[in-house]
Amino acid sequence: QKEVEQDPGPLSVPEGAIVSLNCTYSNSAFQYFMWYRQYSRKGPELLMYTYSSGNKEDGRFTAQVDKSSKYISLFIRDSQPSDSATYLCAMSARGSFKTIFGAGTRLFVKA
Amino acid sequence: ETGVTQTPRHLVMGMTNKKSLKCEQHLGHNAMYWYKQSAKKPLELMFVYSLEERVENNSVPSRFSPECPNSSHLFLHLHTLQPEDSALYLCASSQAPGQGNQPQHFGDGTRLSIL
Repeated sequence: QKEVEQDPGPLSVPEGAIVSLNCTYSNSAFQYFMWYRQYSRKGPELLMYTYSSGNKEDGRFTAQVDKSSKYISLFIRDSQPSDSATYLCAMSARGSFKTIFGAGTRLFVKA
Repeated sequence: ETGVTQTPRHLVMGMTNKKSLKCEQHLGHNAMYWYKQSAKKPLELMFVYSLEERVENNSVPSRFSPECPNSSHLFLHLHTLQPEDSALYLCASSQAPGQGNQPQHFGDGTRLSIL
């Protein structure tokens, strides 16, 4: 079993839709959770960073962590064509240099 | 413009060549990382340096040799590579884990093609 599972997509939605991206994980030691956005021919860009369970909102983006279910989500409201990219979830345990990444979900937002 | 700069952006080399990838971070971080990114696979951690000391080495073949002369610079020396080494090589930096973990910040990578 992979430490982090993420549906590769592709996910195609119309402009203005609410997008839900998800990851599941198996290691209960993970306490730090991140979402990165990666455009073609670019490196991953940090979008959201959360500690432990709960919600965090930043503009059109909301990150949710449910540690009891080992499930994290990223919601994008009012999606735009410029949101078309690959979204990577990532997580790490306290004190660890290792960050474990999902394989990424490819998102297309159609104008 | 990211705080982590990688050069070159693209590299094509034969299996017998020797080349080096360079990474520089301008974020004041004290840990630096090399990752390999292949299509449809998760990022693979290769090496981690903290305060210029190597702290992780994930069973990477010896044809990849890292070097960290100071906390702002990281190199990956390449020699006798194989076709399966063709990938995007990403450098990242962060503050070393202490009271809490800090997220990594990435450069735009070097696209490496082995002929």
